[in-house]
Amino acid sequence: DSGVTQTPKHLITATGQRVTLRCSPRSGDLSVYWYQQSLDQGLQFLIQYYNGEERAKGNILERFSAQQFPDLHSELNLSSLELGDSALYFCASSVESNYGYTFGSGTRLTVV
Amino acid sequence: EDQVTQSPEALRLQEGESSSLNCSYTVSGLRGLFWYRQDPGKGPEFLFTLYSAGEEKEKERLKATLTKKESFLHITAPKPEDSATYLCAVQVIKGGSQGNLIFGKGTKLSVKP
Repeated sequence: DSGVTQTPKHLITATGQRVTLRCSPRSGDLSVYWYQQSLDQGLQFLIQYYNGEERAKGNILERFSAQQFPDLHSELNLSSLELGDSALYFCASSVESNYGYTFGSGTRLTVV
Repeated sequence: EDQVTQSPEALRLQEGESSSLNCSYTVSGLRGLFWYRQDPGKGPEFLFTLYSAGEEKEKERLKATLTKKESFLHITAPKPEDSATYLCAVQVIKGGSQGNLIFGKGTKLSVKP
């Protein structure tokens, strides 16, 4: 157990739907990162939050949004889902931006 | 554009056959280079961080080295349990603060008994 908790582990939904992925960071970590991993693209950075504020944005689609709450857990919202959104979504956390990340076990999203 | 390239994409070794994985990078300003191990269906597991050219770190059968343009992950006398995908990532200095990790696509290592 890495200390980073992601729920749910698996999610199957239909095109056009909206889902929410949840991440609880390791105790004491203030930064949360979201990554998408698909077979052909590898790990792609989506967005980072630090202590409740958005810190950096990567290749995140406008249909996707995220937030970090006062208790530091984070949610990634994916809407108007398309088949191509099927992927593993990972959350990672770190104490600060300049430390290595600890990854959760991921949420496998399948859009049918 | 900041870029990380790993080679080979896949590597098959016999148990005990040592080899190296390569990670070459092109970045504007390197804060650190990270190696992770990822097993199928699981999250990446941190292995090493390297910060400056010439630095080396070791863990069991793995040794990571760093130059100004690339990093190597040397695997000595591998065992079947070393089979996994090895990911390299760079952290870039941006605007005075550290940026997110940029990952390569990984090298899938298979070690046969």
